[in-house]
Amino acid sequence: EADIYQTPRYLVIGTGKKITLECSQTMGHDKMYWYQQDPGMELHLIHYSYGVNSTEKGDLSSESTVSRIRTEHFPLTLESARPSHTSQYLCASTVTTGYNEQFFGPGTRLTVL
Amino acid sequence: KNQVEQSPQSLIILEGKNCTLQCNYTVSPFSNLRWYKQDTGRGPVSLTIMTFSENTKSNGRYTATLDADTKQSSLHITASQLSDSASYICVVIDRGSTLGRLYFGRGTQLTVWP
Repeated sequence: EADIYQTPRYLVIGTGKKITLECSQTMGHDKMYWYQQDPGMELHLIHYSYGVNSTEKGDLSSESTVSRIRTEHFPLTLESARPSHTSQYLCASTVTTGYNEQFFGPGTRLTVL
Repeated sequence: KNQVEQSPQSLIILEGKNCTLQCNYTVSPFSNLRWYKQDTGRGPVSLTIMTFSENTKSNGRYTATLDADTKQSSLHITASQLSDSASYICVVIDRGSTLGRLYFGRGTQLTVWP
């Protein structure tokens, strides 16, 4: 079982609210990722980070932003939530050795009303 | 077009039966291929990882095969259990990028009935 945590697990919020999804890992991994996944669909990379103070946008355009001030922490923020942001958000981390295996958190299921 | 295609999209089997899930990919150059199990409302958990030089890898009742020439992989589940009900995702890693770009399939939704 990988030591990567996400909170909250479920969030129902109204349109226009600012939200932050938390992701933390205790494995000392340098690379971290955020994915968005809709039911029955593949995971789409929305943000990634190679290390502290490094953040990049992924393949899927997202209105969210991320920060990486500490190695273990990679929060995702939506300044103004909209119904189109309703989805599952998965955080992952990996160390750049061997198979480069990604370990996933349990996910946050976001519903914007 | 997704570079990783999985079939079937969904599958229902009875407890104790075997099943095989398929994955075809076009990702090139290829680094490694992974099968993940994702329970409903949870994050994916790795089952197997195979490099291009490996033909088969087992993890308990799960056996993955890889044919790098035809770019096909399969995941065989033996003596299925109710807890095997989940989505099984094939993931292919691109060797050509420093990021180690991951290409995800849409998954096969497996339901095991008692």
